[in-house]
Amino acid sequence: QSVLTQPPSVSGAPGQRVTISCTGSSSNIGAGYDVHWYQQLPGTAPKLLIYGNSNRPSGVPDRFSGSKSATSASLAISGLQAEDEADYYCQSYDSSLSGSVFGGGTKLTVL
Amino acid sequence: QVQLQESGPGLVKPSQTLSLTCTVTGGSISSGGYYWSWIRQYPGKGLEWIGYIHYSGSTYYNPSLKSRVTISVDTSKNQLSLKLTSVTAADTAVYYCARGVGHVDATYNYWGQGTLVTVSS
Repeated sequence: QSVLTQPPSVSGAPGQRVTISCTGSSSNIGAGYDVHWYQQLPGTAPKLLIYGNSNRPSGVPDRFSGSKSATSASLAISGLQAEDEADYYCQSYDSSLSGSVFGGGTKLTVL
Repeated sequence: QVQLQESGPGLVKPSQTLSLTCTVTGGSISSGGYYWSWIRQYPGKGLEWIGYIHYSGSTYYNPSLKSRVTISVDTSKNQLSLKLTSVTAADTAVYYCARGVGHVDATYNYWGQGTLVTVSS
């Protein structure tokens, strides 16, 4: 059971916009800690996609955006492309764990 | 460009100790104030933070694993290591080493490719 809750799957047609939610609690996202997002393509390691709630590392397309409010965060992907099909994970810090926590992951299917 | 590479046995017997090494190239493990981390991914895909070590030597472990885990660095070899004792089938996972930036708001911007460890007799 993951500390952060994500939907198991989302889907969308090419060109559409999808969002993936990440719900936490008062000891992690609700306490004000940043949320980060990772993309994991099949057979590869996770790759940092969004850091500090809404910042993109160099090389990440601006089709990817992140936001945070209260005890939850969201990743939005606009202009869906076939290459976006992957697993997406949110991550934050938890004060009761004194360490990092992850969401259970969301599988994005591009129809 | 920083690169990380995990190595170690792919099969460990129950009750034995899992030992992995992560070799870091393209940067010194003892500089930059990073948090050198171990993260594992279960076959069902969930990610779990195991712990990390700061270049100063301070270690932070997941409370659920703390009694069984040791993370250390060998600066002469630019390597990070993980030891997990008394393993069971529940420890079967892909183990990643990663470079963390920050403690409270750690982000993992470099990852190894991962190594699958199966616990079975």
